[in-house]
Amino acid sequence: KNEVEQSPQNLTAQEGEFITINCSYSVGISALHWLQQHPGGGIVSLFMLSSGKKKHGRLIATINIQEKHSSLHITASHPRDSAVYICAVYLGNEKLTFGTGTRLTIIP
Amino acid sequence: DGGITQSPKYLFRKEGQNVTLSCEQNLNHDAMYWYRQDPGQGLRLIYYSQIVNDFQKGDIAEGYSVSREKKESFPLTVTSAQKNPTAFYLCASSIGRGVASGELFFGEGSRLTVL
Repeated sequence: KNEVEQSPQNLTAQEGEFITINCSYSVGISALHWLQQHPGGGIVSLFMLSSGKKKHGRLIATINIQEKHSSLHITASHPRDSAVYICAVYLGNEKLTFGTGTRLTIIP
Repeated sequence: DGGITQSPKYLFRKEGQNVTLSCEQNLNHDAMYWYRQDPGQGLRLIYYSQIVNDFQKGDIAEGYSVSREKKESFPLTVTSAQKNPTAFYLCASSIGRGVASGELFFGEGSRLTVL
């Protein structure tokens, strides 16, 4: 069983819809990262969380440490949001365990 | 602009050859990382370095080597001992001393294909 599970694996939505991507993990962590991977392969860091909630523009990330769960929300989705979204959890010793990603496609 | 530069973007190698992937950053970050990405799998850590002249093995270090002679540079050599080197390789750096303390910055990646 993977230590990090993301759902859904693939998500297609219409422009303007509210998007939620989920990340569940099986062990205690001290930090969680949300990343965005573009079609060309480059990765951009969106958030690093250890508790609560963070917001940046149309993106919101939340984490519930007790339930071992994090969500990434996108409001007013746009075709340029189409990418793979990756959750990664910090287990110690500089090691992140990465989920396999959620492929998001926003249709105009 | 500050960032991480990886080169080459695409690389083809014959079996038995060593190849070196370049990673340079001008962000003044102490910590640097090399990850490997294979289809359908999460990124896996190959090596990391938190300070010049020091580096540590990650989860899949066998068949790879690195050096950290300068703060800005963290090259990765894929040796002939790596059994399945075809993959997408990503270099990253982190502000502070590591991934628990700050945001990760990634390069655009290098795609290595063994012929």
